[in-house]
Amino acid sequence: GAVVSQHPSWVICKSGTSVKIECRSLDFQATTMFWYRQFPKQSLMLMATSNEGSKATYEQGVEKDKFLINHASLTLSTLTVTSAHPEDSSFYICSAHRGGPYGYTFGSGTRLTVV
Amino acid sequence: DAKTTQPTSMDCAEGRAANLPCNHSTISGNEYVYWYRQIHSQGPQYIIHGLKNNETNEMASLIITEDRKSSTLILPHATLRDTAVYYCIVRGEAGNKLVFGAGTILRVKS
Repeated sequence: GAVVSQHPSWVICKSGTSVKIECRSLDFQATTMFWYRQFPKQSLMLMATSNEGSKATYEQGVEKDKFLINHASLTLSTLTVTSAHPEDSSFYICSAHRGGPYGYTFGSGTRLTVV
Repeated sequence: DAKTTQPTSMDCAEGRAANLPCNHSTISGNEYVYWYRQIHSQGPQYIIHGLKNNETNEMASLIITEDRKSSTLILPHATLRDTAVYYCIVRGEAGNKLVFGAGTILRVKS
């Protein structure tokens, strides 16, 4: 149990376009979902926390107008990278949590390359 | 949430136990210790978590010291597939988010 599906697994887009990444909890309802970014040979950096039906909470230094997060249901959160630039190329990972002391389940990640 | 300190890297012989330490000296009473690992270019995989008592599951054992200021993750019989970055994270229920440190690169060698 506790499976999180992230799609797409990789995407290449042109500079200036927008890219949407989906994160779905397949067999549980996620009260909270998290989005991370990871650059090569670095650790995961938390970007934002999203709760179903409310606005996402962004970490310091993360542009909320550039990284749009929507958490429309208890099983789906999306991250849209708007007006992507080459410096946005990274590995984006989502995580879902059921609440309480349970473990967090991570998606398999999305490799974004902006050319 | 409490900060954790882990060694940068460790080596372990295949078939032997891998013991990964973690210091979390500023942990507070309601904060859990979580362990995750990340194999290259994949999402982190949950291993185990605990509050006060030692925990064991099919993957590993978690030993938490009595004062809770440190813990050890034990992989009883390491295999080459256990080569990964291992993250020790402390999280309180109220905080709700997992903040990753640098982790420990574990290399299992044959």
